[in-house]
Amino acid sequence: SQTIHQWPATLVQPVGSPLSLECTVEGTSNPNLYWYRQAAGRGLQLLFYSVGIGQISSEVPQNLSASRPQDRQFILSSKKLLLSDSGFYLCAWSVRGRETQYFGPGTRLLVL
Amino acid sequence: AQSVTQLDSQVPVFEEAPVELRCNYSSSVSVYLFWYVQYPNQGLQLLLKYLSGSTLVKGINGFEAEFNKSQTSFHLRKPSVHISDTAEYFCAVSDLPSNTGKLIFGQGTTLQVKP
Repeated sequence: SQTIHQWPATLVQPVGSPLSLECTVEGTSNPNLYWYRQAAGRGLQLLFYSVGIGQISSEVPQNLSASRPQDRQFILSSKKLLLSDSGFYLCAWSVRGRETQYFGPGTRLLVL
Repeated sequence: AQSVTQLDSQVPVFEEAPVELRCNYSSSVSVYLFWYVQYPNQGLQLLLKYLSGSTLVKGINGFEAEFNKSQTSFHLRKPSVHISDTAEYFCAVSDLPSNTGKLIFGQGTTLQVKP
């Protein structure tokens, strides 16, 4: 069966520090991968999606970037965190060409 | 452009009472529709989805939803809720056919089940 992992589970970082969140999927090949952000009291905002290694599409301009160095690995990064980057970050995957997304457990980021 | 509107930000209800969480969407093409549930500090779990066929869709935990194309709605219902149903519920839409599989989410509805 397929599983999706995210780490760390929680993270407290100072403003201006770098960020690296990792997401990995097991039990499938060539998945579509997604990064979402959920700010407090708000819905889910799609940040990035990827349909293959090295292929990243950004949905909104922001202080973040994403990379997909391996087929089942998706990384969310920032060079300098802002207070507004605080939130709950969710990674998801889907079978390419299929409609259902499956979500990881999330990473809660607090920027102070 | 597609959009999803969840009409209620919070829905308080007593245990064993029925509940309906409302969702309306706008799209110029055929769509897939989803309901996800999020328990505190967890990821999202798929409750049910509408792809085609019968407009009444049954999901996990006793939930069901009805697709109404003329009203562009996909309301979620449960005849009798439990305390454990307290969670955030998200409606989502995906256009098709699409290789990207992108979902557009509503803002969420917090279901608060009271004893």
